[in-house]
Amino acid sequence: GNSVTQMEGPVTLSEEAFLTINCTYTATGYPSLFWYVQYPGEGLQLLLKATKADDKGSNKGFEATYRKETTSFHLEKGSVQVSDSAVYFCALETSGSRLTFGEGTQLTVNP
Amino acid sequence: SAVISQKPSRDICQRGTSLTIQCQVDSQVTMMFWYRQQPGQSLTLIATANQGSEATYESGFVIDKFPISRPNLTFSTLTVSNMSPEDSSIYLCSVEGDLAEAFFGQGTRLTVV
Repeated sequence: GNSVTQMEGPVTLSEEAFLTINCTYTATGYPSLFWYVQYPGEGLQLLLKATKADDKGSNKGFEATYRKETTSFHLEKGSVQVSDSAVYFCALETSGSRLTFGEGTQLTVNP
Repeated sequence: SAVISQKPSRDICQRGTSLTIQCQVDSQVTMMFWYRQQPGQSLTLIATANQGSEATYESGFVIDKFPISRPNLTFSTLTVSNMSPEDSSIYLCSVEGDLAEAFFGQGTRLTVV
């Protein structure tokens, strides 16, 4: 079946540090891939997406590239801010528009 | 984009009772989805609700425990029946936008005591 595996958290960084959150997936076919973010006390928001191999999704300084050969969709940001503190979820879209989520990674950025 | 309103935002319920969660969307959508986020865990899809047909449940979820209504293209309800403390979770409603991204409601934080 379909599954998403995220790096174990939580992750704590200092402001302006480089961020990588690993995400790998198992799926049949070529699913669309997503990163969602959940800020404290808020609902889930789409951060970025990629719909086919080698696509790069980007938003708010975050990037992720759809790598079919390694079945990965790692999230990166060159310089994190305190306001980036949130829980980040990697997800893939299966048939019928249903989403399978990873475990989530709690990111804390300290000033 | 879609704006989704969920009610209630939170509730504390006695075990053995039922709670109905409402989800209202500001536009007509074909499919609505209900997810559960247990404490400290990821989101798990409960069921897909299409207007005019019975909901489709994922493995591990049954209609008797989580009955769903979908009376029109902008509204759905999820009922958590005969609750136990293990049902304490955040329940989220979701719809798909025009560009195949999902939009989520704020969620309903349920605590069963």
